[in-house]
Amino acid sequence: AQTVTQSQPEMSVQEAETVTLSCTYDTSESDYYLFWYKQPPSRQMILVIRQEAYKQQNATENRFSVNFQKAAKSFSLKISDSQLGDAAMYFCAYRNYGGSQGNLIFGKGTKLSVKP
Amino acid sequence: NAGVMQNPRHLVRRRGQEARLRCSPMKGHSHVYWYRQLPEEGLKFMVYLQKENIIDESGMPKERFSAEFPKEGPSILRIQQVVRGDSAAYFCASSPRDYRGVTEAFFGQGTRLTVV
Repeated sequence: AQTVTQSQPEMSVQEAETVTLSCTYDTSESDYYLFWYKQPPSRQMILVIRQEAYKQQNATENRFSVNFQKAAKSFSLKISDSQLGDAAMYFCAYRNYGGSQGNLIFGKGTKLSVKP
Repeated sequence: NAGVMQNPRHLVRRRGQEARLRCSPMKGHSHVYWYRQLPEEGLKFMVYLQKENIIDESGMPKERFSAEFPKEGPSILRIQQVVRGDSAAYFCASSPRDYRGVTEAFFGQGTRLTVV
């Protein structure tokens, strides 16, 4: 069975600085998707970024980028120029390539605080 | 185009009562997924439904929990004879179809169930 591990329960970053959130996963599949979701206090789950395992190029969305290391099964999220609105829980998630869009396996999350 | 709508946002039930959680998927979406988030945990997949069919209920507890997605109306997650351990946030997600593309599921804001 696939698992997703986030080893940092909490992280803190100064406004305008850069922070990296870690995620490792375990799977025997070769094709899959990885996601980072943001959950602010409103509880809304917001997709931040996705990565297809067959793509070697790391995904980027504005200030958010990932470092995808397939051999190491590592998928970290880098947030550049951190803003106060980035404060939230961040969840790493995995989905099999052949699986349905909603059948995701989530890590336990990292709570990110942003200091002004 | 309204997002995934869940109601109620907050639900309080006494032990032994029934809880009914509703989810209206995004317009045009015919696939619904239910997740449970226990305190300090990530989301855990419970069940995947299409209209009038349960596709995957591998994450559903064997007793007291049931889900349906009728031809007309919202999807319902029903918990009978609730216990304190059922206290959690319950999330619904929807997607337009199930194929091997990257189209992600969209999440509602969740229902926080408190059992007293």
